[in-house]
Amino acid sequence: GEDVEQSLFLSVREGDSSVINCTYTDSSSTYLYWYKQEPGAGLQLLTYIFSNMDMKQDQRLTVLLNKKDKHLSLRIADTQTGDSAIYFCAERGGSGNTGKLIFGQGTTLQVKP
Amino acid sequence: DTAVSQTPKYLVTQMGNDKSIKCEQNLGHDTMYWYKQDSKKFLKIMFSYNNKELIINETVPNRFSPKSPDKAHLNLHINSLELGDSAVYFCASSQADRAYTEAFFGQGTRLTVV
Repeated sequence: GEDVEQSLFLSVREGDSSVINCTYTDSSSTYLYWYKQEPGAGLQLLTYIFSNMDMKQDQRLTVLLNKKDKHLSLRIADTQTGDSAIYFCAERGGSGNTGKLIFGQGTTLQVKP
Repeated sequence: DTAVSQTPKYLVTQMGNDKSIKCEQNLGHDTMYWYKQDSKKFLKIMFSYNNKELIINETVPNRFSPKSPDKAHLNLHINSLELGDSAVYFCASSQADRAYTEAFFGQGTRLTVV
């Protein structure tokens, strides 16, 4: 089946690194995504990784993918108060090209000044 | 120049009423979606339309009826609203036939049924 799991809450101090973890079940997922949701707003794509990659870096963001363990992580370097939000891991699910996204429960990141 | 826009942003209504939420995308995408986010922030897909054809219907009650007049619009009509329908409903769009596709989300409609 298709299932994506995340821890629900993470608290860090400003300037520290944040690491948000995610596990998924569908080994056929070709793309995995990280979305950010700020309070009262929609979801914004932060970054994505193709399944044949182990790592992707984009400025302060580093995505690590362990395909064997079906584990995905998002590291935010030098976390700022503006990074406080809910972060969703998602895999592209369903058969065919439907574009359907299966989301994790979301990890609330709290950044303390 | 909002890519995916949905209206209204807030909707408060009584149980038993019928209401609609509208969504429009100006990205030229071929596929549109409705997702529901519950009070615990859990996001789950409800429906998807590809070029006006329903391709995903995830065991949603019959009271929910999506309508796609053209590929740029996907509206959601809800009959006989119940308290449990209170949630945030997100519209999204993507070009689903590409190997890599990014889904763009609207700002959400917070529905409160009293």
